[in-house]
Amino acid sequence: NAGVTQTPKFRVLKTGQSMTLLCAQDMNHEYMYWYRQDPGMGLRLIHYSVGEGTTAKGEVPDGYNVSRLKKQNFLLGLESAAPSQTSVYFCASRGDGYYGYTFGSGTRLTVV
Amino acid sequence: GNSVTQMEGPVTLSEEAFLTINCTYTATGYPSLFWYVQYPGEGLQLLLKATKADDKGSNKGFEATYRKETTSFHLEKGSVQVSDSAVYFCALISAGGTSYGKLTFGQGTILTVHP
Repeated sequence: NAGVTQTPKFRVLKTGQSMTLLCAQDMNHEYMYWYRQDPGMGLRLIHYSVGEGTTAKGEVPDGYNVSRLKKQNFLLGLESAAPSQTSVYFCASRGDGYYGYTFGSGTRLTVV
Repeated sequence: GNSVTQMEGPVTLSEEAFLTINCTYTATGYPSLFWYVQYPGEGLQLLLKATKADDKGSNKGFEATYRKETTSFHLEKGSVQVSDSAVYFCALISAGGTSYGKLTFGQGTILTVHP
């Protein structure tokens, strides 16, 4: 049981480039979340999804887009990367209960 | 809105020392409270939780008590080990409404334990 898998694990982008981060879960969870982690700021919610075909903005959505075309996948896109988007990105999923969060191992993104 | 405030870090201790990491929160209603731990290079793992006032969550020698009167959920361990070195996050979820079970995190506290 793989849980939550994030790809890639590391990436370096140049300013203005685009990329997509993939999150895949095999637990049939309805809810999926994208967070970014920055030093001294904890994890902040970027976007989330409450089911296949749905997406919603979180706390810091600007500069990001998401899609949930299949229940098991939640994609995070950066259309035009900026240095301020240098961060570690975590995906998480959960079922119906509040206590069943499963986090991926993260993607470290550097924008130069 | 919801918010979580943790004590400033980093925290450096010797093995077998007593650990306290303070956490206070602001939330509407009666949130559920959590401590998550992040070991180097890994994602977050749930360490313990408490869902109502005066509940005590415990796991791996760590404890935290849900104090509604002081809006606090301080993490404690009587004797830390080198293997406890990690980043610790306090977090909450507000039940109901449109929260959709979203976690709100504190800023994290880096703990380093020396032999």
